[in-house]
Amino acid sequence: GAVVSQHPSRVICKSGTSVKIECRSLDFQATTMFWYRQFPKKSLMLMATSNEGSKATYEQGVEKDKFLINHASLTLSTLTVTSAHPEDSSFYICLMAEGGEQFFGPGTRLTVL
Amino acid sequence: AQKVTQAQTEISVVEKEDVTLDCVYETRDTTYYLFWYKQPPSGELVFLIRRNSFDEQNEISGRYSWNFQKSTSSFNFTITASQVVDSAVYFCALSELNRDDKIIFGKGTRLHILP
Repeated sequence: GAVVSQHPSRVICKSGTSVKIECRSLDFQATTMFWYRQFPKKSLMLMATSNEGSKATYEQGVEKDKFLINHASLTLSTLTVTSAHPEDSSFYICLMAEGGEQFFGPGTRLTVL
Repeated sequence: AQKVTQAQTEISVVEKEDVTLDCVYETRDTTYYLFWYKQPPSGELVFLIRRNSFDEQNEISGRYSWNFQKSTSSFNFTITASQVVDSAVYFCALSELNRDDKIIFGKGTRLHILP
């Protein structure tokens, strides 16, 4: 399968700062990318869907101004958590999809103090 | 709407026992994929299987086997002769092929294999 990386794998930040998470594929081009969030001991919840060159579509209850998604290319998507607060502490995972093939990144654990 | 139900929140079995994790799904589409993922404590999702809705054959891979029953909308996962390393959270998931390939997850089953 394809190799999908996320950077950073773990980040700790102070409340009020912004954090950018990168999702990158080394050998797979994805027209569509998804971002998921997973709170401790919970399931993965879809946050948003983005297609290259288009604005992201956010799921109900996800603030688009807080979680900025930039689908920069077929191999790169970024999620920026703006003005992070402790309740944003979570595990964020990207999914890259193309032609029925789907590959997850390894996840980024965000802790907001 | 698409939905995945994993009714078993947590299961504990003694090592070497067989264990079956249940998964029931809902979809309006006739073409879809079903998945099982393993999530160890590290958090990274480990892909186990993807099954196309047109392929109802059961699958066996080592100690793992999957039973796909369209008539009951179920896709159950059995681990035979369980081992401590099988301890993890297991997610069943669904992707409707006509909806941007997004994957919807069940709530997961936390599996404890006791030595």
